[in-house]
Amino acid sequence: AQTVTQSQPEMSVQEAETVTLSCTYDTSENNYYLFWYKQPPSRQMILVIRQEAYKQQNATENRFSVNFQKAAKSFSLKISDSQLGDTAMYFCALWGTGNQFYFGTGTSLTVIP
Amino acid sequence: GAGVSQSPSNKVTEKGKDVELRCDPISGHTALYWYRQSLGQGLEFLIYFQGNSAPDKSGLPSDRFSAERTGGSVSTLTIQRTQQEDSAVYLCASSSVVGTYGYTFGSGTRLTVV
Repeated sequence: AQTVTQSQPEMSVQEAETVTLSCTYDTSENNYYLFWYKQPPSRQMILVIRQEAYKQQNATENRFSVNFQKAAKSFSLKISDSQLGDTAMYFCALWGTGNQFYFGTGTSLTVIP
Repeated sequence: GAGVSQSPSNKVTEKGKDVELRCDPISGHTALYWYRQSLGQGLEFLIYFQGNSAPDKSGLPSDRFSAERTGGSVSTLTIQRTQQEDSAVYLCASSSVVGTYGYTFGSGTRLTVV
C-alpha cells in the first residue's frame, strides 16, 4: 500500500518569513516520484516542485525547496520569503505503481501581511 | 486547448437525479484522470484513461459512477441517482506521458447534492 500523511492541517507565516510544511509517505517501491501541489481558491492544482526518489539532491524551484529524507520517508517543503500569493492548500503527493497519485490530506497555509 | 477545461464549474442537483461532468484535456494528452476531493480530504482517485487501453476503474466508489472518454479526448463522468455523500469537487487532470512529470489539472466541478 502507498500512503501519504500530512500532519499539519493548518499553518500560518508572516509575509517574507520562511515556513516548512511536513509530509511523510510509505511505499515499497524503489522508483517513485514525490510532488508538492498548490491549490489556491480557484481550485486548480498547480505543480510546485517534483523530486525523483533516485536523486539524492534536493529539488529547488526559486523560493521553494524540499528536504527529501529517503530513509525516513520524509518530504518536507520549505517556502522562503513567503508572499501573500502563497496562501493556498498544499498537497504532498506520491507517484508509484498503479498509474495514479496518492495525495495527503493537505495543509492550509495562510500568509499574514 | 491551453489547459484542462471542466464544465460545469458548479452544479447543484437534487438527491436521486443523474449528473454528467465534462472534462476537456489538453490536446494531445493521452492520459486522463478523475479525482474526487471531499471537504477536508485529500484527493481520491476515481478512474484513469490511457490512450486506447481499457480504463482503470478501480477507484470508482460504486456502480452509480461511470466514465467514458470519446475519441481519446473529451471525458464525461456520470453519477446516477446522486446521494448527498457525492457532494464534492470533481477534478480532472491530463498528462502527455505517464504521470512521473505530474499532471495538469482543471479547476474542477463543485457538485452539491441537496
